[in-house]
Amino acid sequence: QLQLQESGPGLVKPSETLSLTCTVSGGSISSSSYYWGWIRQPPGKGLEWIGSIYYSGSTYYNPSLKSRVTISVDTSKNQFSLKLSSVTAADTAVYYCATTPSFDYWGQGTLVTVSS
Amino acid sequence: DIQMTQSPSSLSASVGDRVTITCRASQGIRNDLGWYQQKPGKAPKRLIYAASSLQSGVPSRFSGSGSGTEFTLTISSLQPEDFATYYCLQHNSYLFTFGPGTKVDIK
Repeated sequence: QLQLQESGPGLVKPSETLSLTCTVSGGSISSSSYYWGWIRQPPGKGLEWIGSIYYSGSTYYNPSLKSRVTISVDTSKNQFSLKLSSVTAADTAVYYCATTPSFDYWGQGTLVTVSS
Repeated sequence: DIQMTQSPSSLSASVGDRVTITCRASQGIRNDLGWYQQKPGKAPKRLIYAASSLQSGVPSRFSGSGSGTEFTLTISSLQPEDFATYYCLQHNSYLFTFGPGTKVDIK
């Protein structure tokens, strides 16, 4: 059974870059079954897909965030990562990693607050 | 981009009620749709995939139907543990979009 776990700073200053890592266990990130994705949820609001990556490095991004997002994969560590640049308070959210396009396995989520 | 709408945005219901939530896509997505349940402080949980297939381990009171642009999630007899927010998600294109959610609370 796949397990995903997000990690990274819980507080980021405005204009800086948010960086998170998702560690996959119970299976290989090089599986052909999945793209690996990031989703976020601002407090009290709905879910927003940020982007996804295949183990080969192929990526798809939400057009609304594409200019600020980079998702990368490290197959040797069974991890994939999210970088979101030039953050503002509007980027404060719980960030989840998940398998895509099925979205059947999710991490527990990590709250990232953007504040000085 | 494909936009998803859900109705209602919230509803109040009693234990034992039949509940139906509708999701509409801005263009046809075949049956590339899933339904997810989210409880406060928890990650979403997939209930239905391919519009009408029940996820393993999910109670049979949950069912999904539809294809193209209109989809429904039905809970045949609402249980106390079903009070939550429900989201649809389309994955027809590699630009995934969630519906805005439907909050189901206790009447």
